[in-house]
Amino acid sequence: QSALTQPASVSGSPGQSITISCTGTSSDVGAYNYVSWYQQHPGRAPKLMIYDVTNRPSGVSDRFSGSKSGNTASLTISGLQAEDEADYYCNSYRSSGNVVFGGGTKLTVL
Amino acid sequence: QAQLVESGGGVVQPGRSLRLSCEASGFTFSTSGMHWVRQAPGKGLEWVAFIQYHGGDERYADSVKGRFTISRDNSKNTVYLQMSSLRVEDTALYHCAREGNTRQVGTFDNWGQGTLVTVSS
Repeated sequence: QSALTQPASVSGSPGQSITISCTGTSSDVGAYNYVSWYQQHPGRAPKLMIYDVTNRPSGVSDRFSGSKSGNTASLTISGLQAEDEADYYCNSYRSSGNVVFGGGTKLTVL
Repeated sequence: QAQLVESGGGVVQPGRSLRLSCEASGFTFSTSGMHWVRQAPGKGLEWVAFIQYHGGDERYADSVKGRFTISRDNSKNTVYLQMSSLRVEDTALYHCAREGNTRQVGTFDNWGQGTLVTVSS
């Protein structure tokens, strides 16, 4: 089961916007609108930030947004803040009925 | 407030077995699908297994299929992961997570802090 492809790292300055991509296949990201994004700070459990490609759970800042085009989903963080520095993971439902994660992206706020 | 607490981790030799538990509180466990997700030290997240709310539907990652079994006891608000024929590469922090989508498609809306499994001779 190959993982979804994410960039290993991205960075941005406070106030800027960044985008993290998540590339899959026509059997997962491209086939369903069931992509989620998670934020994980060191030593902490992951936290759901986006689900069903574009939806934010209650309590998540509207600076976080999601989108999808073809086999690639994206997470955009606008108005970057120091507290956004963390690892970010995408996941998707797969036609086999299983779930697949991306390899993770380390976000550095400069 | 939903809470998930894992237990049962430890150090085990290759080829041996171990059973993890995850006790849930703060939500209606019997109507929630549940997953296990693991994270090897310094590595990313890997989905391991899923069980439907009633226990009738189980799914496994290829890496653990035939070796791991997920089960649940709704009377105890607990989900289990029975791990057998353990390998060094199974070493990881094992999280349980609640399925947050009624379509059971891998939306993990609540996570436990995890229990560490180390497979070493």
